[in-house]
Amino acid sequence: QKEVEQNSGPLSVPEGAIASLNCTYSDRGSQSFFWYRQYSGKSPELIMSIYSNGDKEDGRFTAQLNKASQYVSLLIRDSQPSDSATYLCAVPHSNYQLIWGAGTKLIIKP
Amino acid sequence: ETGVTQSPTHLIKTRGQQVTLRCSSQSGHNTVSWYQQALGQGPQFIFQYYREEENGRGNFPPRFSGLQFPNYSSELNVNALELDDSALYLCASSSRTEANYGYTFGSGTRLTVV
Repeated sequence: QKEVEQNSGPLSVPEGAIASLNCTYSDRGSQSFFWYRQYSGKSPELIMSIYSNGDKEDGRFTAQLNKASQYVSLLIRDSQPSDSATYLCAVPHSNYQLIWGAGTKLIIKP
Repeated sequence: ETGVTQSPTHLIKTRGQQVTLRCSSQSGHNTVSWYQQALGQGPQFIFQYYREEENGRGNFPPRFSGLQFPNYSSELNVNALELDDSALYLCASSSRTEANYGYTFGSGTRLTVV
């Protein structure tokens, strides 16, 4: 069974600090990785995708991928209260479906 | 260009009843994927439809069934509802079947079974 693991949190971070969210996956053949943000009661929103080892930056968000360690992370710089949400990691499986972690709840404290 | 739309937004059903959820795909998209998200968990893949045929199915019983229409909109039907079917049901449309490009979801349907 392919698995994606995340710490459920909550992770509490002061406003303006860096939030670091982590995800591990079991399938060594995985080629692409996604971070979704989900506000309470809403559907997941795709915020970052990463396909190659290393870092990918988009505004305040940086995704980091280490395929050898089967580890992908999301850094949020200058955290804002509006970043408070659950962050879900997803990995493709069987070509057509995504396997998801349970998500990490992030709380940004003003 | 409109995005993915789902209806209804909320629904309350009684155990044993049947329910139909609807999804209108984004213009130009021929693939629809359905996911179930229970409270506090990540989404679970139900099935995918491509050009009106089921293209893949997750670990859900046969009482979960679907349809895709010629305009690529889709329905999810659940028979003999159980309490554990209470969840957020998500639909995503795409222009290809591969999950390697990620999906954009509709706003979801919140189903409560009592």
